[in-house]
Amino acid sequence: DTAVSQTPKYLVTQMGNDKSIKCEQNLGHDTMYWYKQDSKKFLKIMFSYNNKELIINETVPNRFSPKSPDKAHLNLHINSLELGDSAVYFCASSQGGMARGSNYGYTFGSGTRLTVV
Amino acid sequence: QKEVEQNSGPLSVPEGAIASLNCTYSDRVSQSFFWYRQYSGKSPELIMSIYSNGDKEDGRFTAQLNKASQYVSLLIRDSQPSDSATYLCAVNFSSGNTPLVFGKGTRLSVIA
Repeated sequence: DTAVSQTPKYLVTQMGNDKSIKCEQNLGHDTMYWYKQDSKKFLKIMFSYNNKELIINETVPNRFSPKSPDKAHLNLHINSLELGDSAVYFCASSQGGMARGSNYGYTFGSGTRLTVV
Repeated sequence: QKEVEQNSGPLSVPEGAIASLNCTYSDRVSQSFFWYRQYSGKSPELIMSIYSNGDKEDGRFTAQLNKASQYVSLLIRDSQPSDSATYLCAVNFSSGNTPLVFGKGTRLSVIA
């Protein structure tokens, strides 16, 4: 059973398009995250979210928006895609809220490789 | 600014040797520290966590933490070619609700 699943695994799209990446976790965790990993393998936080609080990294363009229909899902919607958005996007989850959850490490999904052409 | 620094490598060690991976962080009040392993094209997987000063051993892996020096390391004993991967250091900078901050990773190559 996949603990944190992301779809699609690969996404190739043209500049200017709008796309979504879906993430689901079946671990019963209450906090979910989106990270972006660039070509140099640097994992950078984009969003952290639980039922009570959304934390947005201030460097993330407002073309990116998280959407959470329930605590098992955190989708990432991207408007007006740009070449620089090409990267691997990882969803992750943890238990106990952002502070306590950070004490126990995260479980990552398999990643979505986004290529903007 | 919360930062986690790692030497990007590559770090090359012969099979059977001890691989030593190092990480420094910017905030003295940080509370928890993690090492993740990431194979090429795969997602990061948690291999070690450490919260207190000193050493923590798990199989061939030993994490070492020195909060006064703001330094955390990972030792891999009897390195195997299957250990070749990128190792990511992650820190919980616990000033409020903040997610883990990752270093840029060290690429380890174990040569048979």
